[in-house]
Amino acid sequence: NAGVTQTPKFQVLKTGQSMTLQCAQDMNHNSMYWYRQDPGMGLRLIYYSASEGTTDKGEVPNGYNVSRLNKREFSLRLESAAPSQTSVYFCASRAPGAINYGYTFGSGTRLTVV
Amino acid sequence: GQQLNQSPQSMFIQEGEDVSMNCTSSSIFNTWLWYKQEPGEGPVLLIALYKAGELTSNGRLTAQFGITRKDSFLNISASIPSDVGIYFCAGLVVQGAQKLVFGQGTRLTINP
Repeated sequence: NAGVTQTPKFQVLKTGQSMTLQCAQDMNHNSMYWYRQDPGMGLRLIYYSASEGTTDKGEVPNGYNVSRLNKREFSLRLESAAPSQTSVYFCASRAPGAINYGYTFGSGTRLTVV
Repeated sequence: GQQLNQSPQSMFIQEGEDVSMNCTSSSIFNTWLWYKQEPGEGPVLLIALYKAGELTSNGRLTAQFGITRKDSFLNISASIPSDVGIYFCAGLVVQGAQKLVFGQGTRLTINP
């Protein structure tokens, strides 16, 4: 029972490089989310997918794209990484009508862009 | 967009002390949640609040949903070393899909 699995855990990129952050959940949840966490700013929503086949922008979508590959997987892509994208990225999922609206978070991907 | 202001940003306390932190918003939320994040991990839900004025406990943790629906507080009684971490408040936005808006976090450090 893995919950939400994110890969990789750590990554260093050079400015301009591209990469995809992977997220998979095994709880049959409909909704999935990508957040970034920066010191003193809490977690900010990048993109979300309310259900398989749909994606929407969150608060800070610029510089990112997402793909909801199937119900289990939701990936985040950086096409041309910038130092401002240095952050810790969290993927989360939520079951429909979850009684306590609790999201299950992955353990994060720490990305450094140099 | 909606913003949550959480305070204090950090706390340094002695083991056994009580802790209080709060969260305010310029917008109304119908659901408030409190999360804890430990180093190297994602946030974990501690308490969820669904009704204005609601007071809910989870062990040594107590949280309240403000009457105006624009604020919430979290208290931790008799702190222990494992309480160390970052605590986040979050408000639930329902505009089509549901989304969480997070506060900036309160970093709690405990001296044994």
